[in-house]
Amino acid sequence: DTGVSQDPRHKITKRGQNVTFRCDPISEHNRLYWYRQTLGQGPEFLTYFQNEAQLEKSRLLSDRFSAERPKGSFSTLEIQRTEQGDSAMYLCALGRGSYEQYFGPGTRLTVT
Amino acid sequence: LAKTTQPISMDSYEGQEVNITCSHNNIATNDYITWYQQFPSQGPRFIIQGYKTKVTNEVASLFIPADRKSSTLSLPRVSLSDTAVYYCLVGDMKMDSSYKLIFGSGTRLLVRP
Repeated sequence: DTGVSQDPRHKITKRGQNVTFRCDPISEHNRLYWYRQTLGQGPEFLTYFQNEAQLEKSRLLSDRFSAERPKGSFSTLEIQRTEQGDSAMYLCALGRGSYEQYFGPGTRLTVT
Repeated sequence: LAKTTQPISMDSYEGQEVNITCSHNNIATNDYITWYQQFPSQGPRFIIQGYKTKVTNEVASLFIPADRKSSTLSLPRVSLSDTAVYYCLVGDMKMDSSYKLIFGSGTRLLVRP
């Protein structure tokens, strides 16, 4: 148990639909990260929050992507008008300001 | 962030010691070296972190030579459950306030019976 839950674990959607993923920290960590991982590659950084403030966004995070962390607890990642290239595992991780981070099990998105 | 180079894959047998070496020739003075492990369909898991010489915990040891241009993750007496992808990362603990993790492709370790 890493102290992070993600929902849903799997999502299949049709191209053009919107999807939303949720990350729920079980324990308190002021930093929350989102990463994306495609098959055979390591995770890629998307964005991170310190408490409720979104402090950095990767160039990978196009205008179709938006993330929120209201009240500095859970976080949501929304993808609008999904494309086949969005198919990946979306991982949430918690940290306290170090390279030791605790990852959730991820949400696997398949866009058909 | 310093670029890292690791073997793409390694094979071993149960009970053997496995050493995975990572090259980071451009490592900076303030960079720390961190290793993660990832099982299929799970998120990565932090294993160990070090700056120089040797660090040991209940899972692994990390050996870092004086020039810090490489590091070796040592897994003693591996079991089938150690089959996973292992990632080596380097990052500046003092200057990088984001602490975002930059992963490479990692080393796929296969442990055979």
